Amino acid sequence: EVQLVESGGGLAQPGGSLRLSCAASGFTFSNYWMHWVRQAPGKGLVWVSRISPDGSNTRYADSVKGRFTISRDNAKNTLYLHMNSLRAEDTAVYYCTRVFSGALGYWGQGTLVTVSS
Amino acid sequence: DIVMTQTPLSLSVTPGQPASISCKSSQSLLHSDGGTYLNWYLKKPGQSPLLLIHEVSNRFSGVADRFRGSGSGTDFTLEISRVEAEDVGIYFCMQSLQLPLTFGGGTKVEIK
Repeated sequence: EVQLVESGGGLAQPGGSLRLSCAASGFTFSNYWMHWVRQAPGKGLVWVSRISPDGSNTRYADSVKGRFTISRDNAKNTLYLHMNSLRAEDTAVYYCTRVFSGALGYWGQGTLVTVSS
Repeated sequence: DIVMTQTPLSLSVTPGQPASISCKSSQSLLHSDGGTYLNWYLKKPGQSPLLLIHEVSNRFSGVADRFRGSGSGTDFTLEISRVEAEDVGIYFCMQSLQLPLTFGGGTKVEIK
């Protein structure tokens, strides 16, 4: 069974940093493209970032480019999202997702990031 | 960026009755490989999104056959043949043709 378990969310101050982790199991992690998607309170779903299976190819939404870094450790079956220079508008539930047939097929339970002073 | 527009914003449906949600994209979602990358999700309160339909009309594993996706190019529809109480939540369409992946604004389905 595919499982994605996020962690690392919490309260951060504006300008601060957080690192989200996503532990993957139930599939060969190193074979799959992975994405982060977020949902701010009361808002819709927004794509954040994507990484290739070997970690060499990454892409970001304009709203996080230069502040967030996606990475992965295939030996540990773990996806990361390093978030710097956090803003109030980054407050959201962050989901780790795995691709299935071109779609985001599997989602973690999400981890809440709150940016506030 | 591809803009995804969903209608209606909300639906109130009697159990056992059908429901239909429309999703339009600002450009064709047909890829050169022949696939059309339009997907449907259901997000129930307090849960993560669940993939229902991928590539327009393919039901994801375990999805009930009362869910049916159709469409082509820029116009797509999700139909629920007979709504059940467990179908309540917010339905989203999403294009995966190109980055950034973009989602429709959502359609809230409630039971009368």
